[in-house]
Amino acid sequence: GENVEQHPSTLSVQEGDSAVIKCTYSDSASNYFPWYKQELGKGPQLIIDIRSNVGEKKDQRIAVTLNKTAKHFSLHITETQPEDSAVYFCAATESGYSTLTFGKGTMLLVSP
Amino acid sequence: DSGVTQTPKHLITATGQRVTLRCSPRSGDLSVYWYQQSLDQGLQFLIQYYNGEERAKGNILERFSAQQFPDLHSELNLSSLELGDSALYFCASSTSGGRAFYNEQFFGPGTRLTVL
Repeated sequence: GENVEQHPSTLSVQEGDSAVIKCTYSDSASNYFPWYKQELGKGPQLIIDIRSNVGEKKDQRIAVTLNKTAKHFSLHITETQPEDSAVYFCAATESGYSTLTFGKGTMLLVSP
Repeated sequence: DSGVTQTPKHLITATGQRVTLRCSPRSGDLSVYWYQQSLDQGLQFLIQYYNGEERAKGNILERFSAQQFPDLHSELNLSSLELGDSALYFCASSTSGGRAFYNEQFFGPGTRLTVL
C-alpha cells in the first residue's frame, strides 16, 4: 500500500520567516495530496490540496508544490505568524481510491 | 467548524468493555471515514462507508466494527477494549468517495477514548 514520509518532525521558526515541510510518497499512481493543520484539541483542518495534474498551487501565504517524477510534495508557509503554530499533516490517496494515507506530522512552532 | 459532529467528546472506560462512537457528516456528504490517532501510530485510516455501504477497510481490528445508517450518520463500535485502544478517534466526511474520485475530507472534532 501507500507509504507517506514527512520531514521534519518538528520545526521552529521566528515570526515572519518562511517554513517548508516536505513529504514523499510511494505509490506512483497517487493523484491527490491534501495538507491538514491540527491545533491542540481539535480535528485536522484541510488548508490546501493539490491534484496530480498540477505542479503548484497557492492560497495567500500558503503554497504547495508537487514533483510527480520524484514523488514528493511540499508545503510552503511564508510570513509565518504565531497562529500558524500547529501540527501539519500531509496525505496522499491510494491509487484508485479516496482513502488517505497520512504522514506522521510536523509540529510547527512560530515564536513572536 | 467543519460541519462534522462527533459524540461524545470524551469517553473513559475499563478494559474488556464495549463503547460506541457516533458521527454525523456534513449536510449532503455521503461518505464517512473513521480514523484513529495515537502518538506512536499517527493518523490511521480504519474504515469508510459510502451511502450506507462499506467501501474501504484499513487497519481496523476485528474487535472494531462500524455502520452507516439511512440518515447517513455513522457509529464506530469498539469491543473487548484494551489499554492500547486509548486514542483519539476522528470521523471525516466527503461529498463522494467512490473509486477514482478524489475529494476533500472534512474532519470532526474527535472523541478521546481512555481505557483504564
